[in-house]
Amino acid sequence: KQEVTQIPAALSVPEGENLVLNCSFTDSAIYNLQWFRQDPGKGLTSLLLIQSSQREQTSGRLNASLDKSSGRSTLYIAASQPGDSATYLCAVRHGYFGNEKLTFGTGTRLTIIP
Amino acid sequence: NAGVTQNPKFQVLKTGQSMTLQCAQDMNHNSMYWYRQDPGMGLRLIYYSASEGTTDKGEVPNGYNVSRLNKREFSLRLESAAPSQTSVYFCASDRFTEAFFGQGTRLTVV
Repeated sequence: KQEVTQIPAALSVPEGENLVLNCSFTDSAIYNLQWFRQDPGKGLTSLLLIQSSQREQTSGRLNASLDKSSGRSTLYIAASQPGDSATYLCAVRHGYFGNEKLTFGTGTRLTIIP
Repeated sequence: NAGVTQNPKFQVLKTGQSMTLQCAQDMNHNSMYWYRQDPGMGLRLIYYSASEGTTDKGEVPNGYNVSRLNKREFSLRLESAAPSQTSVYFCASDRFTEAFFGQGTRLTVV
């Protein structure tokens, strides 16, 4: 059974700092890994998608890496801003071809202190 | 481009009542999913459909049924609502790559 873990569950950092969020998964047989952002009371917004053959993806101040063999991914946020405050979730796509599904971690609640 | 649309946005039910949550996507995606999100539990998969005409149980299917009506629509039905089904429900769709989510349905069962 695929299990996804995100540590820490909550993180507070001063504005301007760089930070890293962690995601680990137990079964390395994945198709891809996706990072999402969720604001309170809202839906999920996709941030970055990394295919299983890729090592990293970048979008603006965000950089996500993937080490499939060790079952780990990190989301790096540079020069954090108060607007980055949200819950960040990772999800892995897995299963057999034609019957894939997404399994989520429980998320990291990030607070950027002005 | 609407993406993934869920209805209703909010609902209050009495214990034992039934209801259907609607989900539609306009991205020609093969796979669709229903999740529930509870505090401290993250998103848990209820049911999914890898293609039109197929559905499979996820992690927490008890008390729910689903219908993949066509490629666009995937509905979730609660036959006899229970307070334990109070949650936020999300529908999602994807096609081998990036998943997209609806805005959620906040359901309260009293």
